[in-house]
Amino acid sequence: RKEVEQDPGPFNVPEGATVAFNCTYSNSASQSFFWYRQDCRKEPKLLMSVYSSGNEDGRFTAQLNRASQYISLLIRDSKLSDSATYLCVVNDSGGYNKLIFGAGTRLAVHP
Amino acid sequence: EAEVAQSPRYKITEKSQAVAFWCDPISGHATLYWYRQILGQGPELLVQFQDESVVDDSQLPKDRFSAERLKGVDSTLKIQPAELGDSAMYLCASSSADRGGTDTQYFGPGTRLTVL
Repeated sequence: RKEVEQDPGPFNVPEGATVAFNCTYSNSASQSFFWYRQDCRKEPKLLMSVYSSGNEDGRFTAQLNRASQYISLLIRDSKLSDSATYLCVVNDSGGYNKLIFGAGTRLAVHP
Repeated sequence: EAEVAQSPRYKITEKSQAVAFWCDPISGHATLYWYRQILGQGPELLVQFQDESVVDDSQLPKDRFSAERLKGVDSTLKIQPAELGDSAMYLCASSSADRGGTDTQYFGPGTRLTVL
């Protein structure tokens, strides 16, 4: 079983749609969780951290369910510029700030 | 805004040749990471430095890969000899996290390696 699992997609949605991505992780001791965004042939960039209470940043909402070891990302009012791969990331609990990446979910927003 | 620098951006080599990649982290960042990202997969950590010391190289294929960060600043990742399966994007990242702490990792633009 992979440490971080995501639906690879692609998710093809029209502009203005709401889309949700899910992710599960295997290490129950993990403490920190993130969503990174990666554009085609570019480096990953931090989109947002994920907190137990849930958090929102503009059109983006992240949720964490520790009991189910499940993380989600909701994007509202999708823009063409949201087209990218979204990587679910878990901080390994071993103490060296090691990140474990999922394979990513590809999003394509069309006019 | 400070950035992680990497060179070269692209490298094409033949199998059995040696290749080297260079990374200059954000100034003041003690922790430096090298990741490998195969097409269609997420980045996988190869080696992590805390200052000049290796703290995790469990996923580094040590028979052919080596990494160093001699003065605790910039770093070099080497592959010798390169194999076809080494074709991937090699990403460098840095953070200011100390052991036991967490902090954002900032990635460089990567080196795309193609082995023929």
